[in-house]
Order: sequence, then structure tokens, then C-alpha cells
Amino acid sequence: EAGVTQFPSHSVIEKGQTVTLRCDPISGHDNLYWYRRVMGKEIKFLLHFVKESKQDESGMPNNRFLAERTGGTYSTLKVQPAELEDSGVYFCASSLTPTGGLYGYTFGSGTRLTVV
Amino acid sequence: AQTVTQSQPEMSVQEAETVTLSCTYDTSESDYYLFWYKQPPSRQMILVIRQEAYKQQNATENRFSVNFQKAAKSFSLKISDSQLGDAAMYFCAYRGVSSGTYKYIFGTGTRLKVLA
Repeated sequence: EAGVTQFPSHSVIEKGQTVTLRCDPISGHDNLYWYRRVMGKEIKFLLHFVKESKQDESGMPNNRFLAERTGGTYSTLKVQPAELEDSGVYFCASSLTPTGGLYGYTFGSGTRLTVV
Repeated sequence: AQTVTQSQPEMSVQEAETVTLSCTYDTSESDYYLFWYKQPPSRQMILVIRQEAYKQQNATENRFSVNFQKAAKSFSLKISDSQLGDAAMYFCAYRGVSSGTYKYIFGTGTRLKVLA
């Protein structure tokens, strides 16, 4: 089966611009998660979708971040306007069950966002 | 709040030797899961091993094993017979069971270098 796909793999934008990251989960996975790793720091949870609904968005840093999952398939994460501190690697993960089961979540390779 | 600490930013090991990566965590929950994830350069994160807190027996997966010390809140990963393909970032992660959320709490990661 195809894995979790994220694109772009890299994005460099100027402060104040808008960027949209996309995640295509494994087909049939109702649960989709976004995480972020700021360089040198821990990977932090952003939010969790179950189908198209936001189950937990407690990790979203502020209202410059907007996540959507229309139709319960792919998800987008928009940052508008981007700030320097938004730089980092954004990971998406998906799973059949909320817990991830025996094998955990399936992660994508991440999108490296650099805001200059 | 739960925290995960990986105190070794970088480790090196000679090929075929054994290395241990450290992880400590803090939680007030009695039931939870612990994970080690591996992220090779520019590739997706994959689950290496998981441990249920209610199980006293340490998990093992081929050359990978953990030393789970619940009272000490320690969860180290031992890699035996290290191979060049083991070179990666390793992240320790925690997930609570009773908190009502499915998010992972990650550590800052340990970069493992394998020397030929």
C-alpha cells in the first residue's frame, strides 16, 4: 500500500507569506495527525483529525495555523502569515485506529519549512 | 504534564557493537505506552519498538531491545550488532491511556552514527 505522502518536501518562503502543506494519508485511515519539530527541539503534536472532524487541536500554536481535512481524505495545513519561528519540519501521520494499534502511526517524510 | 527527555543529542557506535540510547519520562499516569521511533535521513519515521507500561517484560524486536524501569521512569533502547543502516535519528515517545487524547509526547531525539 502507498504510505503517507507529504508535499512539498521542502519550502522556503519569506516572512509574511502564506504556505500550504499537504498530507495524503494511507487510504482508509480515518485518523490523521500533524506534528512539528522545530530544529533541535522535540517533535510536538499539533492536531488530530478523525475523518474530517478535529478530535484534538490543543497543540495548534496560534490562529495563524489552519488545518483542514475536507471529505476526510487528504489534509492541508496553512500558515498565514508565516513567521520566522514557524520554521521546522512538519510531520503528518495516519492510522486506522486512534491509538495506532500494534504498529503505531504511519508517518510521512515531513515537509521542511524555512521562513526567511 | 508529561515530558520525555533524551539527554544524548548524538551517539556513535562501531559497526557490530552494541549501543544504548537513554530516555526518561515524567508522568502521573499509571497506564501508558512508550515507543522508540527511527528516522533515517530524509525518510519517514518508523516504529522500532513499543512497550506497554503494564507489562513488566521488556520488549524486544530482533536486534532492538528496551530496558524499561517503570519506577525510575526510564526507557532505554539497546541496539545490538549495530549495522550501517541503523544510522538515524531516534525519538523516544510517550502516549497516555487515560488522558483522553491520543497524542504522542516526543523527546528531542538522539542522532546515532554508525562507524564502519
